Amino acid sequence: DAGVIQSPRHEVTEMGQEVTLRCKPISGHNSLFWYRQTMMRGLELLIYFNNNVPIDDSGMPEDRFSAKMPNASFSTLKIQPSEPRDSAVYFCASSERGGDYNEQFFGPGTRLTVL
Amino acid sequence: RKEVEQDPGPFNVPEGATVAFNCTYSNSASQSFFWYRQDCRKEPKLLMSVYSSGNEDGRFTAQLNRASQYISLLIRDSKLSDSATYLCVVNNNYGQNFVFGPGTRLSVLP
Repeated sequence: DAGVIQSPRHEVTEMGQEVTLRCKPISGHNSLFWYRQTMMRGLELLIYFNNNVPIDDSGMPEDRFSAKMPNASFSTLKIQPSEPRDSAVYFCASSERGGDYNEQFFGPGTRLTVL
Repeated sequence: RKEVEQDPGPFNVPEGATVAFNCTYSNSASQSFFWYRQDCRKEPKLLMSVYSSGNEDGRFTAQLNRASQYISLLIRDSKLSDSATYLCVVNNNYGQNFVFGPGTRLSVLP
């Protein structure tokens, strides 16, 4: 199994540009999570999906952020327009749904820098 | 108050030392608990789950005290390869809502 795949691994963009981050979860996993990690705020859950349906997006910072999961094997996180304070590492994770002790498997992350 | 709090780091210990990390959580309805490990510039990975009865995996021992809302991780005979950030994680919604602590950084020195 290739694990959770994220692309791009690094993204440098200018303020105001649109940024799209991509994620392919582990095959057979029903839940997908998007996290953001910064030195100041640590690892924060942005949104998660169960069976491709968004369940809780209360962690999404503002309307500039949007996430979609059109099918079981693909999800995107979009920032439009991007701002310097969006600079962070964005992780996607997936897990099997159900049970209290299901492990979340993280992708390698996308390191975003907004100039 | 943050939902999950951890000992501030960094912890610098010599090889072979025993080191303990503490974590407290504020939501008494939390259902399951974990320790994740994160190496520098890498993704978090599960180290071990933490069960009510306590559990051990080789040199690692995890304890849970629900009454005090407290979780601990003990590392015995520490190795250089144990150097990492250790994240305490609390699950509040049947596996769906993981809340990560800020992490405790460990450096094991030769």
